[in-house]
Amino acid sequence: ETGVTQTPRHLVMGMTNKKSLKCEQHLGHNAMYWYKQSAKKPLELMFVYNFKEQTENNSVPSRFSPECPNSSHLFLHLHTLQPEDSALYLCASSRGLPVGELFFGEGSRLTVL
Amino acid sequence: GESVGLHLPTLSVQEGDNSIINCAYSNSASDYFIWYKQESGKGPQFIIDIRSNMDKRQGQRVTVLLNKTVKHLSLQIAATQPGDSAVYFCAEIETSGSRLTFGEGTQLTVNP
Repeated sequence: ETGVTQTPRHLVMGMTNKKSLKCEQHLGHNAMYWYKQSAKKPLELMFVYNFKEQTENNSVPSRFSPECPNSSHLFLHLHTLQPEDSALYLCASSRGLPVGELFFGEGSRLTVL
Repeated sequence: GESVGLHLPTLSVQEGDNSIINCAYSNSASDYFIWYKQESGKGPQFIIDIRSNMDKRQGQRVTVLLNKTVKHLSLQIAATQPGDSAVYFCAEIETSGSRLTFGEGTQLTVNP
């Protein structure tokens, strides 16, 4: 157990659906991250939150909408996704910024039909 | 079964051999480096880290070497075991700018 829990672990959705990914960390960390992991590609940073405030949006399409209600919870709201958005979405946390060691969740495997 | 110098997307070794996994980083301002291990169906897990004021750090069966001159990082695993089979990737961090970049992974397969 890494202290970072992601749900659901697997999600299949159509292009017109709306769904959300959830992440919760029990480490007392202040920074949380969303990463996208596609086959044979390095991890791609999507969003960074520090003390609930978004500090980075890495040119992510608006069909991905993050939400961070507090330092322990992070959501990724999904709507009108494309098949190329199918990937493993990883949540991570760190003590804060400047960034240091990241603690990852197990990921949410998303398939867009 | 060792690879030195070049990043390889896959590496296959015999159980008991030593493994060397390489990573080239791009940002000369990076001052903190981490190796992660990712087993199938799981998230990445921390293995070992090193700061730029060091060139070598040892853990349990793992050693990380840092060559800042050529911006190269390597992970050595001694007496590789089947449980070491996973994807390994490095992360370079420029702490002042809070920039963290992940390298391409290497799939390590340990044959019994």
